[in-house]
Amino acid sequence: AQSVTQLDSHVSVSEGTPVLLRCNYSSSYSPSLFWYVQHPNKGLQLLLKYTSAATLVKGINGFEAEFKKSETSFHLTKPSAHMSDAAEYFCVVRPPGRRALTFGSGTRLQVQP
Amino acid sequence: DTEVTQTPKHLVMGMTNKKSLKCEQHMGHRAMYWYKQKAKKPPELMFVYSYEKLSINESVPSRFSPECPNSSLLNLHLHALQPEDSALYLCASSQEGTGNNSPLHFGNGTRLTVT
Repeated sequence: AQSVTQLDSHVSVSEGTPVLLRCNYSSSYSPSLFWYVQHPNKGLQLLLKYTSAATLVKGINGFEAEFKKSETSFHLTKPSAHMSDAAEYFCVVRPPGRRALTFGSGTRLQVQP
Repeated sequence: DTEVTQTPKHLVMGMTNKKSLKCEQHMGHRAMYWYKQKAKKPPELMFVYSYEKLSINESVPSRFSPECPNSSLLNLHLHALQPEDSALYLCASSQEGTGNNSPLHFGNGTRLTVT
């Protein structure tokens, strides 16, 4: 079975400093991986997806993630945090042949002024 | 703005009421989903429709009844709900037949409160 583990339930950074949200996955096959963001009282917005075409994936709003098969990781980064980045972030895996997504437990990002 | 539209945004209902949640997308997606999300938790899958047919029911109680009238619309009919059913209900859609790289596109959800 495929699963994802988000290593931090809460991350706090200062505005203008780098962001690192960690995600590890377990999979017997090449996974499909996604990062979603959820602002308060909103739905989930796709930040980026791993397609196996490139290990470094660029997403919206300056976010990117690097797929590292040797470490089974798919960490999300951003060089400089903005106040509007404060939200809940979900790392998500889609098992082969399945429509349903498997969500990580989420990481709440807090951005301090 | 999201390309998946959900109505209403908020709904308060009593335990004896019957209400419906609605979802619409015009992206040509042939898979549609209902998720339930409790506070500070990830979304939990409830139902999946593929080409207007129910393909996944995650053992959801019968007081929740999904319906997919056509490829653009998805409804969730609610009857005799319990207070613990209060949650954010999210609709999503995705392409079919394009492999596992197809992401889900989510609506903004309906915030349901059962009194």
